[in-house]
Amino acid sequence: EPEVTQTPSHQVTQMGQEVILRCVPISNHLYFYWYRQILGQKVEFLVSFYNNEISEKSEIFDDQFSVERPDGSNFTLKIRSTKLEDSAMYFCASSRDETQYFGPGTRLLVL
Amino acid sequence: GIQVEQSPPDLILQEGANSTLRCNFSDSVNNLQWFHQNPWGQLINLFYIPSGTKQNGRLSATTVATERYSLLYISSSQTTDSGVYFCAAPNSGYSTLTFGKGTMLLVSP
Repeated sequence: EPEVTQTPSHQVTQMGQEVILRCVPISNHLYFYWYRQILGQKVEFLVSFYNNEISEKSEIFDDQFSVERPDGSNFTLKIRSTKLEDSAMYFCASSRDETQYFGPGTRLLVL
Repeated sequence: GIQVEQSPPDLILQEGANSTLRCNFSDSVNNLQWFHQNPWGQLINLFYIPSGTKQNGRLSATTVATERYSLLYISSSQTTDSGVYFCAAPNSGYSTLTFGKGTMLLVSP
């Protein structure tokens, strides 16, 4: 069964550094999403992407965040200058219809 | 946007017991998903269930869309069922999912 994959599984970075989180959505899916989960809290929406542009974004998704689909398979989330509060699990999801399928997540720790 | 509330927040069971988890949502939905977050943090799709009842092994789910709630049943629980169970609903259509705060389940041997 096709799955959403994410790399890396874990990343540790210094405050102020840029990080890029990578996702490979399911191949025939058209809608792509990033969510995050701060430790012990609920999963929160960041951004959705369709037809090569952002379709929705939350208040969390400020100017330090950007998303890109650089080729036909990858979907990336860039955090330009990481802050301590960016430490969280980041989930990528994709969908073809109403059902969203989530990747295993990237656990980001900002020191 | 839509509000999603889950109950109970925590649940402790003995292995073999049955349980019911509840998800209430504030608006009409055309999608409702249940997830299990395992101890490694992975979100596992359990059900996509905008209405009606579905079963998958020891798990089943029922959504009553007109009354804006969904139930997840776990029968004959096992220690591997431990983790956090989330329900999530979209604000509209193919939109983003709003998650509840989850039910943390601990099944002890």
